[in-house]
Amino acid sequence: GAVVSQHPSRVICKSGTSVKIECRSLDFQATTMFWYRQFPKKSLMLMATSNEGSKATYEQGVEKDKFLINHASLTLSTLTVTSAHPEDSSFYICSAPPQGPNQPQHFGDGTRLSIL
Amino acid sequence: AQSVTQLGSHVSVSEGALVLLRCNYSSSVPPYLFWYVQYPNQGLQLLLKYTTGATLVKGINGFEAEFKKSETSFHLTKPSAHMSDAAEYFCAVSEGQGAQKLVFGQGTRLTINP
Repeated sequence: GAVVSQHPSRVICKSGTSVKIECRSLDFQATTMFWYRQFPKKSLMLMATSNEGSKATYEQGVEKDKFLINHASLTLSTLTVTSAHPEDSSFYICSAPPQGPNQPQHFGDGTRLSIL
Repeated sequence: AQSVTQLGSHVSVSEGALVLLRCNYSSSVPPYLFWYVQYPNQGLQLLLKYTTGATLVKGINGFEAEFKKSETSFHLTKPSAHMSDAAEYFCAVSEGQGAQKLVFGQGTRLTINP
């Protein structure tokens, strides 16, 4: 079945560092990918929708300049957390939309970001 | 706008007992409904989904859920809990075929007591 690979699985870095998270569709092409953020013991909140070849669509309240999203190819979307601070520490998960009728989304395994 | 409410942020049952995780949704269009399970520091795994047709859907690991339109509910059940069922469970809704965004409930942590 369709597989989404997310990398890295865990990042620990100093405040002020920019961190890039990659989300790849391994055996299918995805013109759209979703980026979610999950706070500890909380639900997943959709941050943005990346669109291949065009600008990402951000949800209300998400800082575009803080969370840069690029969807440069049909198999790769990236989320860059710029000048990360401790409050950006979270679990970030990407997903690819359903590949057919009645099909589910396919989630990556997530990235645990810890900013010291 | 769609929304999902999961009653009970934490449910604890004994091994072998019935598992019941509650989910109510709000949607202005016929919904697609999902249950996902998340183990610590991992992504989401689909347990089951309702799109159209039969309202009682069976999923993996012995779980099932019933779509009740009149009650706007999609509760998740399993007849006999296993220790390996301990995890976080999320109910989610989307706007149906062609719509791709998922709206998640706040999650329910399931604990299994030996």
